Amino acid sequence: NAGVTQTPKFQVLKTGQSMTLQCAQDMNHNSMYWYRQDPGMGLRLIYYSASEGTTDKGEVPNGYNVSRLNKREFSLRLESAAPSQTSVYFCASCSRSVVNTEAFFGQGTRLTVV
Amino acid sequence: TQLLEQSPQFLSIQEGENLTVYCNSSSVFSSLQWYRQEPGEGPVLLVTVVTGGEVKKLKRLTFQFGDARKDSSLHITAAQPGDTGLYLCAGVASGTYKYIFGTGTRLKVLA
Repeated sequence: NAGVTQTPKFQVLKTGQSMTLQCAQDMNHNSMYWYRQDPGMGLRLIYYSASEGTTDKGEVPNGYNVSRLNKREFSLRLESAAPSQTSVYFCASCSRSVVNTEAFFGQGTRLTVV
Repeated sequence: TQLLEQSPQFLSIQEGENLTVYCNSSSVFSSLQWYRQEPGEGPVLLVTVVTGGEVKKLKRLTFQFGDARKDSSLHITAAQPGDTGLYLCAGVASGTYKYIFGTGTRLKVLA
């Protein structure tokens, strides 16, 4: 059971280049999320998708776009990378009930923009 | 904006000491979760607290949800080096699907 799979694991970009981070989950969850984590810090929400066909901005959406391709896949795109986007990116899918939410994470993508 | 503030940000203690980490917000949460993250890995769920005033114990870890469901605490008794890591609270503010994480507490337990 793969859970949440992110690709790539590492990436170096030059300023102004574009790239797409891929995320897929096999747990049949409706909700999926993209976060960034800077060194020693918590996770900041970039974008999320509450269900297939919907996406919404999180806390730090500027410079990013997302696509919820289907229920399994949620991609994050950097159109013109900037050094400030150097970070570790995590994709998560969430199981939700009335009383509980649990996030399951991918291994992360370590992105460096030079 | 629903913000989850954690304190302290960093904590370095000796093995055997006790500690408490706090997670505070001005918003009400239907539930709060606590995660622990190891270097190079994604966070892993420790516990969920749901009811205001609820206390949950997980071995040496005690979690409490505030009566007003705006804050939570994590208390570790007799900390061990294996407790070292980044501790994160998280929650979905009532009426939204936005799942946000706290600012994090980095704990280092020295042998």
